[in-house]
Amino acid sequence: ETGVTQTPRHLVMGMTNKKSLKCEQHLGHNAMYWYKQSAKKPLELMFVYNFKEQTENNSVPSRFSPECPNSSHLFLHLHTLQPEDSALYLCASSQDSGGRYGYTFGSGTRLTVV
Amino acid sequence: GNSVTQMEGPVTLSEEAFLTINCTYTATGYPSLFWYVQYPGEGLQLLLKATKADDKGSNKGFEATYRKETTSFHLEKGSVQVSDSAVYFCALGNSGGYQKVTFGTGTKLQVIP
Repeated sequence: ETGVTQTPRHLVMGMTNKKSLKCEQHLGHNAMYWYKQSAKKPLELMFVYNFKEQTENNSVPSRFSPECPNSSHLFLHLHTLQPEDSALYLCASSQDSGGRYGYTFGSGTRLTVV
Repeated sequence: GNSVTQMEGPVTLSEEAFLTINCTYTATGYPSLFWYVQYPGEGLQLLLKATKADDKGSNKGFEATYRKETTSFHLEKGSVQVSDSAVYFCALGNSGGYQKVTFGTGTKLQVIP
């Protein structure tokens, strides 16, 4: 149990589907993050939320839409994805903006776009 | 800006061999330094950290010392096991404001029996 729970663990979706990834933490952290991890590529930071407010969007295509209803929950809504979006999507949280204490990661959602 | 450079992998070792994975960094101020480990099919787990110069982080037999003079944070373990096979990420973070954690590209370790 890492303290950060991601669901589902695996997801296969067609390019015309709409799906959502969910992330939940009960660590009392106030910052949450979405990362994309593709084979043979560095970790890519997608979005950052601090106290429910989005503080960073790293030029992510609009087919990825984040939502943070409270400090404990983070969603990533997906629609009309492309095959190159297939990857491991990791959620993380931190006590502050993460610089001093580091992040706690979830186990990830393995997404396959067909 | 902040950056982390770690050795290319994969690193292949026999069981009980000594492990070193090199990590150097560039940062302003006095960053915290981290090593994360990612086992197959899992997310990243914090392995150890050091928050100031000369600190030694340690966990599960792994150690790393924060060397400000050489801007390094090399990961070491005296005797690796097959179960240590994973990808290891070096990372740094500056405290304060909206400073984030910057990750290295990861080094894959394979331990063979």
